[in-house]
Amino acid sequence: SAVISQKPSRDICQRGTSLTIQCQVDSQVTMMFWYRQQPGQSLTLIATANQGSEATYESGFVIDKFPISRPNLTFSTLTVSNMSPEDSSIYLCSVEDPVAKNIQYFGAGTRLSVL
Amino acid sequence: QKEVEQDPGPLSVPEGAIVSLNCTYSNSAFQYFMWYRQYSRKGPELLMYTYSSGNKEDGRFTAQVDKSSKYISLFIRDSQPSDSATYLCALLMDSSYKLIFGSGTRLLVRP
Repeated sequence: SAVISQKPSRDICQRGTSLTIQCQVDSQVTMMFWYRQQPGQSLTLIATANQGSEATYESGFVIDKFPISRPNLTFSTLTVSNMSPEDSSIYLCSVEDPVAKNIQYFGAGTRLSVL
Repeated sequence: QKEVEQDPGPLSVPEGAIVSLNCTYSNSAFQYFMWYRQYSRKGPELLMYTYSSGNKEDGRFTAQVDKSSKYISLFIRDSQPSDSATYLCALLMDSSYKLIFGSGTRLLVRP
């Protein structure tokens, strides 16, 4: 399985500011994904990020709020823009297994609190 | 109606017990079934992956899928305190990358 590093592991931010979360993988992967896990709830897919193309966003998530970059096959960033307390969540990146493409591996997540 | 239903627990069992964790789903288009374990303040860790009806065993863990009933289970034998975590079922349709997660069941194994 891939080793996935996320930074920062946690942060406390003021409303109206933005935070960029980094996701680094130890091997080249085609598909990377960003999920949100709100307090006491399960994981919800925010967007799919392919290298060299625009991210694909799920219903309820928009690029202006969650811009994503995917500059190469081992790295992606998710920005949470103009934050409000409702954005307080755990944000997780995942990658598909390069062989068993139906399998996804997750990073440890970024725990975000917005005051 | 949620696509995937999972009892949130918490489920508290004594050490050594057999644990049964379950999910039901409504869409027969789901073809791939996974179980993840998530420790507190950690990311989900893949435990089991299967795509056919029947049982799949890996050590103390057995994943069971019944596509006709739209019901999946994870059994843990000889449960240990280290098994205390939240267990998430995750389902995937063919030709899709979007994992649909259950809400997770919190398990506590008492020494």
